Amino acid sequence: GAVVSQHPSWVICKSGTSVKIECRSLDFQATTMFWYRQFPKKSLMLMATSNEGSKATYEQGVEKDKFLINHASLTLSTLTVTSAHPEDSSFYICSADWTPGGTGELFFGEGSRLTVL
Amino acid sequence: GDSVTQMEGPVTLSEEAFLTINCTYTATGYPSLFWYVQYPGEGLQLLLKATKADDKGSNKGFEATYRKETTSFHLEKGSVQVSDSAVYFCALSDRGGSEKLVFGKGTKLTVNP
Repeated sequence: GAVVSQHPSWVICKSGTSVKIECRSLDFQATTMFWYRQFPKKSLMLMATSNEGSKATYEQGVEKDKFLINHASLTLSTLTVTSAHPEDSSFYICSADWTPGGTGELFFGEGSRLTVL
Repeated sequence: GDSVTQMEGPVTLSEEAFLTINCTYTATGYPSLFWYVQYPGEGLQLLLKATKADDKGSNKGFEATYRKETTSFHLEKGSVQVSDSAVYFCALSDRGGSEKLVFGKGTKLTVNP
């Protein structure tokens, strides 16, 4: 199946710094990418939907200025956690879909674990 | 809003045992239902899906039937293998496809030889 890769797989940073997580579709063009956040023993929570070349659509309660999402090309979307704080520590997962609007099968990255000290 | 409730884990079974992981949902309209599996160190993968009532999704020996009357989509396998050890997520989408999936918390399955 199609491959989606996230980088880094884990990152530790100091409070107040910004961290960028990349999500790449390796063998297909992803018109739509989704970013999720997973807390321990909780379900994946959709944070935002990004479409190539346009602004991301954020879910209710997700701070746009805190979690910057860029989908500059059909194979790359980035999530930047700005001025990270310990409560931002979490497992972030991206998924990608090659169909416009994200109506096909999703392919998921391995996830990126962020720990903010 | 839409929600998915799945069986709390972890679940530990012996090889060749029967597996059931319960999943129930709450949704307006007629959602599509999915089971995803996450093997250690890998991303989530679609295991099976069903898009309308009474549909049965199946793959790799796993099955789940879309039961509208009980709002359930329980995952079953008749004889599990060690290689089935993974985390299983039940999910729904009310958009027809995989758009805006709502996930359950996940159930960790460990199969011992």
